[in-house]
Amino acid sequence: GDSVTQMEGPVTLSEEAFLTINCTYTATGYPSLFWYVQYPGEGLQLLLKATKADDKGSNKGFEATYRKETTSFHLEKGSVQVSDSAVYFCALSGGFSGGFKTIFGAGTRLFVKA
Amino acid sequence: NAGVTQTPKFQVLKTGQSMTLQCAQDMNHNSMYWYRQDPGMGLRLIYYSASEGTTDKGEVPNGYNVSRLNKREFSLRLESAAPSQTSVYFCASSETSGYTFGSGTRLTVV
Repeated sequence: GDSVTQMEGPVTLSEEAFLTINCTYTATGYPSLFWYVQYPGEGLQLLLKATKADDKGSNKGFEATYRKETTSFHLEKGSVQVSDSAVYFCALSGGFSGGFKTIFGAGTRLFVKA
Repeated sequence: NAGVTQTPKFQVLKTGQSMTLQCAQDMNHNSMYWYRQDPGMGLRLIYYSASEGTTDKGEVPNGYNVSRLNKREFSLRLESAAPSQTSVYFCASSETSGYTFGSGTRLTVV
């Protein structure tokens, strides 16, 4: 069935460092890919999405490109801030196995130090 | 503001007690979901409703029931709470553009 694998955390960075959180997926069909962010004590929020191969999703300085050839959707940010400290979830939906339901990765916790 | 509203935000139950978690969305979404989030376990789907009038089991449905009362509301019921149901519960709704989550209910069963 459809699945999402993302790098284990926690990831600890200093302010202004470059961020990469790796995400790979397994799915049949043509899924859409998402990144969600969860700040402490809150629900998940949609950060960005891409609906087809080679699409780039972007929001708040974060970017991710849908790479069908490597089945990846890595999250990047050029310069992180303390306020980016959160848990980040990679997700997919629309594969033949999961259908409209969203399949979430396990989450990667990011700590950014001042 | 448009979104998903969950009540209550916090609840403590004794083992064997029952309760209903409420969820309402005002975005006219067809699909709604209940997840639980536990440390180290990520998000696990309990039940979902693809559209008004339908409900289906997710990954961890045992000990729970749901009701899709109308297009806006999707409730989750614990008939006889157990300590293993201590968790944070999230409701979500969606169309094709991604999920919108509520802020969660933190439930402790003692």
